[in-house]
Amino acid sequence: NAGVTQTPKFQVLKTGQSMTLQCAQDMNHEYMSWYRQDPGMGLRLIHYSVGAGITDQGEVPNGYNVSRSTTEDFPLRLLSAAPSQTSVYFCASRRTPGQGGMFFGQGTRLTVV
Amino acid sequence: GENVEQHPSTLSVQEGDSAVIKCTYSDSASNYFPWYKQELGKRPQLIIDIRSNVGEKKDQRIAVTLNKTAKHFSLHITETQPEDSAVYFCAASVINSSASKIIFGSGTRLSIRP
Repeated sequence: NAGVTQTPKFQVLKTGQSMTLQCAQDMNHEYMSWYRQDPGMGLRLIHYSVGAGITDQGEVPNGYNVSRSTTEDFPLRLLSAAPSQTSVYFCASRRTPGQGGMFFGQGTRLTVV
Repeated sequence: GENVEQHPSTLSVQEGDSAVIKCTYSDSASNYFPWYKQELGKRPQLIIDIRSNVGEKKDQRIAVTLNKTAKHFSLHITETQPEDSAVYFCAASVINSSASKIIFGSGTRLSIRP
């Protein structure tokens, strides 16, 4: 039981490039989410999903896309990377939208130059 | 939408003393309030949570209190130890089946002085 697994752990992108951050969980959790963490700003919600085929926007969705084709996977796509997207990204999952604590992945440190 | 404010941003206490971190939330419909601890370079981990149907919850040296009327909730750590040094985040959420955003505060960096 690996929990929540994110790849890659580190990534450097050039402005304008696109990429996908991968997130997978093996706990059969319905709820999955993406946060970005910036100094002094805590964890800000980008997108979330309450089940396969269902996604919704969080606090800071612009510049990011998500999809949830399976229960296990919730990839985050950066469409055209900008320096303002330099951050640490965390994927997190929860058993259901209303139950259980949230489990975080180990994070992806993204730098956009 | 929900907005969570957290104070203080940094806190330094003597080992053995108590630490208190306070949060306020804006959405009166919020009914779930978790606290997370993040050690340096690690992922956030849930340490305690409280639902709106109770006013206080304790787990060993950690306790959380909730004042729904004032929309305040607080984390209390007693008999602090060096391993309590970390960043602590509060969060608030409305739990239902159609929309379940967990919104975090900006964090408190707690340092324990030996």
